[in-house]
Parts: sequence; structure tokens; C-alpha cells
Amino acid sequence: GQSLEQPSEVTAVEGAIVQINCTYQTSGFYGLSWYQQHDGGAPTFLSYNGLDGLEETGRFSSFLSRSDSYGYLLLQELQMKDSASYFCAVRDSNTDKLIFGTGTRLQVFP
Amino acid sequence: NAGVTQTPKFQVLKTGQSMTLQCAQDMNHEYMSWYRQDPGMGLRLIHYSVGAGITDQGEVPNGYNVSRSTTEDFPLRLLSAAPSQTSVYFCASRSGGDYTGELFFGEGSRLTVL
Repeated sequence: GQSLEQPSEVTAVEGAIVQINCTYQTSGFYGLSWYQQHDGGAPTFLSYNGLDGLEETGRFSSFLSRSDSYGYLLLQELQMKDSASYFCAVRDSNTDKLIFGTGTRLQVFP
Repeated sequence: NAGVTQTPKFQVLKTGQSMTLQCAQDMNHEYMSWYRQDPGMGLRLIHYSVGAGITDQGEVPNGYNVSRSTTEDFPLRLLSAAPSQTSVYFCASRSGGDYTGELFFGEGSRLTVL
């Protein structure tokens, strides 16, 4: 099976940089994804890492290291609207299920 | 495009009642799934389907049934509601050909079981 661990909460101030880590245990997966969810809303897709290394999309970057069973989401130039929960997820290569981590709540302060 | 549409958005049930949460998508996605979200528990997979006529269990399938008679629809049935099934339910779909596995979520159905 799979398990994914994330810190439960992270706080930062506007304009800062924050990193949200995800460590996982899995028997096999296609890649690591990240989703954002604002309070009361639905999760929305942010990024995907199929290979080791860094993927950059605007202010957000995501990193994967398969050898370390570790990934992270990096948010730069934080804005108040970035206050949300962030979930990492892996797509099981045997069953094609997408399994989510426990989520990290990011609070951005002025 | 409507995307993924869930109904109802809110529902209150009494213990032992049954009901069906509806989910429809208009993107011709092969893969559909149901998650439940509880505080501090993240999103847990209930059931999923890789195509019409094919369904399989996720992490927490007990107490729920699904069927997939068409590509568009993937209803979730609660057989005999229990307070432990109080949760927010999300339906999601994705294209089988998308290598990123990006899931598109509905707005959620908030269920309270008394």
C-alpha cells in the first residue's frame, strides 16, 4: 500500500518562500502530484513530477527524489490568496489509484 | 463545460436511511472516483472506476456501493447511513490518456448523518 506524510500546518508572511514536504512509502507509482484546496472548495491540480528533479510553474515549483522517497512543493512570493491546504498524491502503478497525503494547511499572514 | 457535477450539495440523513450521491462528468473521462474528506484525514478513496462497467474498491469502501453503467455517470450509494459517514464527499474524474493523472473534482457533497 501507500502512505504519504506531510506537516499538518505551515505559517509564513506575505512575500516569503515556503516549502511543504511530502515523504512517502509506496510499492510503485507513476509520479507525485500536488493539489491546492481553499476552505469550502474542491481540490485543484497544481503540479506533477514524473521524473526526479524540479518542475517550475510560475511562483510554484515541485521537486521529486525517488531515491529518498521525498518530494516538496515550493511556493515563492507568497500572497494572501495562497492560504489553503496543500496535498501531495501518488498514482499507484499497479492499480492506477490516486492516493492523497494528509494535507498541509498553509496560513499566510500580512 | 460543466466539468464534474455533484448532487446534492448538502444532505441530512437519519441513521439507517439510504441515499445516492450523483456524479456526472461531460469531459468523456474514462476514470472516475469517489473520495471522502474528514478533518485531519485528507482525502480517502472510497471506490473508483477505470471505465464503463468496471469498478473497484479504494481505501475505505465499506458501507458504500457504486456502479458505472455509462462513461458520464458514477453514482455513490450509501446503503444504511451511519454517523461515521458524516463527511464531505468529492467525485473526481480524469482522462486515461493524461500522463499527469490530473484529477478534476466536483464541488463536493456535504453529508450529515444524525
